[in-house]
Amino acid sequence: EVQLLESGGGLGQPGGSLRLSCVASGFSFSTHAMSWVRQTPGKGLEWVSSISDTGARSYYRDSVKGRFTISRDNSKNTVYLQMNSLRAEDTALYYCANYIATTGGFSLVYWGQGTLVTVSS
Amino acid sequence: DVQMTQSPSSLSASVGDRVIITCRPSQSIDDYLNWYQQSPGKAPKLLIYAASTLQSGVPSRFSGSGSGADFTLTISSLQPEDFAIYYCQQSYSIPWTFGQGTKVEIK
Repeated sequence: EVQLLESGGGLGQPGGSLRLSCVASGFSFSTHAMSWVRQTPGKGLEWVSSISDTGARSYYRDSVKGRFTISRDNSKNTVYLQMNSLRAEDTALYYCANYIATTGGFSLVYWGQGTLVTVSS
Repeated sequence: DVQMTQSPSSLSASVGDRVIITCRPSQSIDDYLNWYQQSPGKAPKLLIYAASTLQSGVPSRFSGSGSGADFTLTISSLQPEDFAIYYCQQSYSIPWTFGQGTKVEIK
């Protein structure tokens, strides 16, 4: 059974940092690309960042570029999201998900249950 | 960024009804379109990828169609477990973007 378990969420100060982790099991982690997606009541679902299976390539939405860093440790079946210079608008439920290439682009196949990040002083 | 517009934003339907949800991107995205279902308190679940291909394990009452800039998700006979929020998502260009969601409620 595929499982993705996020952790590391909590209360962060504006301008502060948090590090999210997502531990995967039940599939061949090192051959799957991974993503972080966040959700808020106001903005809905928002893709944040993705990383290739080897970690050689990473992608970010503009609003987090230069502040967030995605990385992975295939020996630990874990993907990370280092979040620096936190802003109030980063407050959200953060999901990790694996994605696959299909005949029609990329699809987010398995999702974790999310970890809640709240940015507030 | 490609803007994804879903309609309607919400609908009320009865068990057994046929439901159609529309998704229109702000530009052509070929068939780089996914549909997800999110039940209360749960993570999104992939239903359909590449606009019309059913994800493994998803009931055949779900179907997707369209290409370019006009897509639909159809539920042929609504079941109690289908009351949820449905999202479309494009992977044609980064940033991947989602529609605002369509909430399917019980009439």
